[in-house]
Amino acid sequence: DAGVIQSPRHEVTEMGQEVTLRCKPISGHNSLFWYRQTMMRGLELLIYFNNNVPIDDSGMPEDRFSAKMPNASFSTLKIQPSEPRDSAVYFCASSFVSSGANVLTFGAGSRLTVL
Amino acid sequence: KQEVTQIPAALSVPEGENLVLNCSFTDSAIYNLQWFRQDPGKGLTSLLLIQSSQREQTSGRLNASLDKSSGRSTLYIAASQPGDSATYLCADTGNQFYFGTGTSLTVIP
Repeated sequence: DAGVIQSPRHEVTEMGQEVTLRCKPISGHNSLFWYRQTMMRGLELLIYFNNNVPIDDSGMPEDRFSAKMPNASFSTLKIQPSEPRDSAVYFCASSFVSSGANVLTFGAGSRLTVL
Repeated sequence: KQEVTQIPAALSVPEGENLVLNCSFTDSAIYNLQWFRQDPGKGLTSLLLIQSSQREQTSGRLNASLDKSSGRSTLYIAASQPGDSATYLCADTGNQFYFGTGTSLTVIP
């Protein structure tokens, strides 16, 4: 398997623009996670899905952020409108959450810069 | 919400030293403890996983242990090398999926 695939790897946009980040989890995994990493706040859990259903979105900072998982092989994280304080690295991770070993595997991240 | 604390925040050691990184959870009901490594500008790479029925795991020079009664885990690195320089993070990846802020390790040749 190619691992967790994220796109784009880098995005530079202007304040007020819509940003869409994409993630393809590892095939067979039943859970998908979106994290945001900044120097100030570290790695923050934004939302996670289990079997395509959002389970915990308490980490989504504002209504400007939304996430979808229309099927088991694709998820998006959207920011509309974007603001400079949204600049961060956004990671997607996936796992097969069960009663056994739950190994969380991360993608390479999408670095977002909002000017 | 689970709070994860990692101590120390930064550590600098000469090559060859053994070292211990610490991780503690406010909620000791840890289901699945995973240690990760992150190199600058890169994603997270899984190092070790301790399942709910286990107390420790070893991989090469790395050994991780988990004390559920206290909600603490330690990562032991033996005979450190410059290539071990990175940030190390821990998380309960079976239950709440929250991460600590990490320990930044520098191994000096």
